[in-house]
Amino acid sequence: QQQVKQSPQSLIVQKGGISIINCAYENTAFDYFPWYQQFPGKGPALLIAIRPDVSEKKEGRFTISFNKSAKQFSLHIMDSQPGDSATYFCAASIPGGGADGLTFGKGTHLIIQP
Amino acid sequence: DAGVIQSPRHEVTEMGQEVTLRCKPISGHDYLFWYRQTMMRGLELLIYFNNNVPIDDSGMPEDRFSAKMPNASFSTLKIQPSEPRDSAVYFCASSFLSISSGRAWLLDNEQFFGPGTRLTVL
Repeated sequence: QQQVKQSPQSLIVQKGGISIINCAYENTAFDYFPWYQQFPGKGPALLIAIRPDVSEKKEGRFTISFNKSAKQFSLHIMDSQPGDSATYFCAASIPGGGADGLTFGKGTHLIIQP
Repeated sequence: DAGVIQSPRHEVTEMGQEVTLRCKPISGHDYLFWYRQTMMRGLELLIYFNNNVPIDDSGMPEDRFSAKMPNASFSTLKIQPSEPRDSAVYFCASSFLSISSGRAWLLDNEQFFGPGTRLTVL
């Protein structure tokens, strides 16, 4: 499996601020880029996903920005709330979407301070 | 739907013992995945099945690990013999591939994770 590099490893943001998590990938065959959110003691759950035919995808306060030429994508959380405190994983997969196994980043532990 | 069900939720065993983790996927899903999560290595795909057939087991760390899916509603991951370095949280996930156009395509490939089994090998 090709690597997906995620940064930062941990992030502290004040309530109402913008949280930004970055990922970079190597395999140009990747065509599906989801972000998963994981709360303590739970399994990861899909938050938002994007395909490389668009540069941005927005759902509520969550936005994915995608830069195909740089092979990078990022998650922006606007107006961050304490309930957003969780571990976030970026991921990627080859054609077939998430039907094939996902290659995950190492995760970012996000803390939103009230 | 109850979601993906895993058992046991916690398992503590001694080195050398056999460990069996169990998973019941969401009804109607035709893909099943086993992942391992550790602090050092993050989330790693171990193996996945499509229609009960193993498709890719390249992530299985060594011969001590084996996985089976005897039917569409049940899968096991077995470690024999277990070692302390196998201590991790093991997740099972399932998904349904729907070939369709439009935005719904993404949602149809979502992987649904179970709550995980926390394995500790002493």
